Amino acid sequence: DTGVSQDPRHKITKRGQNVTFRCDPISEHNRLYWYRQTLGQGPEFLTYFQNEAQLEKSRLLSDRFSAERPKGSFSTLEIQRTEQGDSAMYLCASSLQGVPSYNEQFFGPGTRLTVL
Amino acid sequence: AQSVTQLGSHVSVSEGALVLLRCNYSSSVPPYLFWYVQYPNQGLQLLLKYTSAATLVKGINGFEAEFKKSETSFHLTKPSAHMSDAAEYFCAVNQAGTALIFGKGTTLSVSS
Repeated sequence: DTGVSQDPRHKITKRGQNVTFRCDPISEHNRLYWYRQTLGQGPEFLTYFQNEAQLEKSRLLSDRFSAERPKGSFSTLEIQRTEQGDSAMYLCASSLQGVPSYNEQFFGPGTRLTVL
Repeated sequence: AQSVTQLGSHVSVSEGALVLLRCNYSSSVPPYLFWYVQYPNQGLQLLLKYTSAATLVKGINGFEAEFKKSETSFHLTKPSAHMSDAAEYFCAVNQAGTALIFGKGTTLSVSS
């Protein structure tokens, strides 16, 4: 039984560079969420997919951010022209929508991004 | 709109003492409530969840929480703290099928 995996675990980049993160959800899960967690704060919702459709985006997701989930399996989160304020832990979670309706989400280990 | 407030950003207890981490929620509809634990440089692990089946919810590692609608609270307790309980704890709320809304977290320190 494999859980949610994320790659890379750590990424250091220079301001202005583009970065891409990958998330592999639990195989039978049809929903995939991205959250961002800054130091000393709880995770904040960025976006989520049901299968390959992106159903909701937070206002935190500026136009420099884009997420995809081709074929409804793994997902990528890309940040273009990174800024120092993008430094955070990026968490991915997956769930099986439907029964039970409370939508228990399982989290990956996160990707820690540091923008210099 | 839903929200979660965790009272106390840092709680310190002695090993063997009672652990009490406070969480109050705001929701216009019956909520689903969760407690997650996060160890350093790791993702979040679900401790327990309230889904309206029972107001007293038991979770992993000896933790439990009680849903009190009149107080809009969902406080997390453990009768006897262990050193391994030292971590960051997050309370979260959502409605069915939506994103989780998290509190700011409470850091639990356990001293011997």
